[in-house]
Amino acid sequence: NAGVTQTPKFRILKIGQSMTLQCAQDMNHNYMYWYRQDPGMGLKLIYYSVGAGITDKGEVPNGYNVSRSTTEDFPLRLELAAPSQTSVYFCASTDILNTGELFFGEGSRLTVL
Amino acid sequence: AQSVTQLGSHVSVSEGALVLLRCNYSSSVPPYLFWYVQYPNQGLQLLLKYTSAATLVKGINGFEAEFKKSETSFHLTKPSAHMSDAAEYFCAVSSVNNNDMRFGAGTRLTVKP
Repeated sequence: NAGVTQTPKFRILKIGQSMTLQCAQDMNHNYMYWYRQDPGMGLKLIYYSVGAGITDKGEVPNGYNVSRSTTEDFPLRLELAAPSQTSVYFCASTDILNTGELFFGEGSRLTVL
Repeated sequence: AQSVTQLGSHVSVSEGALVLLRCNYSSSVPPYLFWYVQYPNQGLQLLLKYTSAATLVKGINGFEAEFKKSETSFHLTKPSAHMSDAAEYFCAVSSVNNNDMRFGAGTRLTVKP
């Protein structure tokens, strides 16, 4: 059972470059999320989706975009990378039947230099 | 908006000692409360959750937490620490629709031999 799969695991970007973090889940979950984790700050919600074609902003959406064309995939796009986007990014998914339990990927560590 | 505050960014205990990790929440609606654990270089995994059933919740690996509405607390305990419990622990709160899960800043637990 793959669960939530994130790629890449590590990436170094130069300031101003763009990239997409991929996230796929095979549990047929409706809800998907992107969080960023910074030391001492916990996890902050970037964007979330309640189903294919529906996305919404979280706490810290600036500098990011998402799309949800299928139930399985929820890519996160960084446009014009900045050093402030250096972080560990986590994708998560759940279903309403799970009563709030999120299933996390292993994370993508991004460094912007 | 809902929020959680974890008291103590770092807790150190001896092997066999009581583990107590503190979490206080703020919510205008009946909350769902969670404790997640993160081992190095991994995603978060659910330890336990409170969803308005029993106020004392038992989780995996011998952990438990008690929901105290009067104190707006959801502290995590384990009677006897094991070396394998060393990890970072996150308290989280959400409402029933899962769109707004908020995480605390995390508490790093160190277990000394």
